[in-house]
Amino acid sequence: GAVVSQHPSWVICKSGTSVKIECRSLDFQATTMFWYRQFPKQSLMLMATSNEGSKATYEQGVEKDKFLINHASLTLSTLTVTSAHPEDSSFYICSPSVGGYGYTFGSGTRLTVV
Amino acid sequence: DQQVKQNSPSLSVQEGRISILNCDYTNSMFDYFLWYKKYPAEGPTFLISISSIKDKNEDGRFTVFLNKSAKHLSLHIVPSQPGDSAVYFCAASGVGSNYKLTFGKGTLLTVNP
Repeated sequence: GAVVSQHPSWVICKSGTSVKIECRSLDFQATTMFWYRQFPKQSLMLMATSNEGSKATYEQGVEKDKFLINHASLTLSTLTVTSAHPEDSSFYICSPSVGGYGYTFGSGTRLTVV
Repeated sequence: DQQVKQNSPSLSVQEGRISILNCDYTNSMFDYFLWYKKYPAEGPTFLISISSIKDKNEDGRFTVFLNKSAKHLSLHIVPSQPGDSAVYFCAASGVGSNYKLTFGKGTLLTVNP
């Protein structure tokens, strides 16, 4: 159980463009979605938390207008990096859970902005 | 302000020996701790967890020890295998953090054949 599908696994985009990352919980309904990112040699850092049908809550220092999160259904959440810059290059990981419990992760998306 | 600290960025052990990975935390509101293993360009894989009501949890070759008074936990892997070579993250959460995970920076474990 607790199968998570995240894609794309990697993406290269030009500076100024937008990139959408999808995260699906395949065999359970995720009421809560956590989005993390990891810079090289750094901790996994929580970016935002979203509950199905509600607006996401962003951590301090994370621009909500830049990182758009949509959690429209219990099995799908998306993270859109808008107007991407090279400093947004990172590894983005989703973590769907039921009511905040359970700590399963997607396989991650490596974003490179050139 | 790093609430979860893994002070050893790397650890190298021989196959068959014990690997001990350490983690310290500062937030006394944390009540649930987890260890994850992560390969490059992949998401973390859950290994083992422990609740603050326990001081030890064992699962096969993996054992996690929790010392609440010292705010310290450790992961023991015995016997270590070359396939265990990966980055290990310690993570903590609690009711006060709405179950969000706070991660350490990770320790790169290398198990030499």
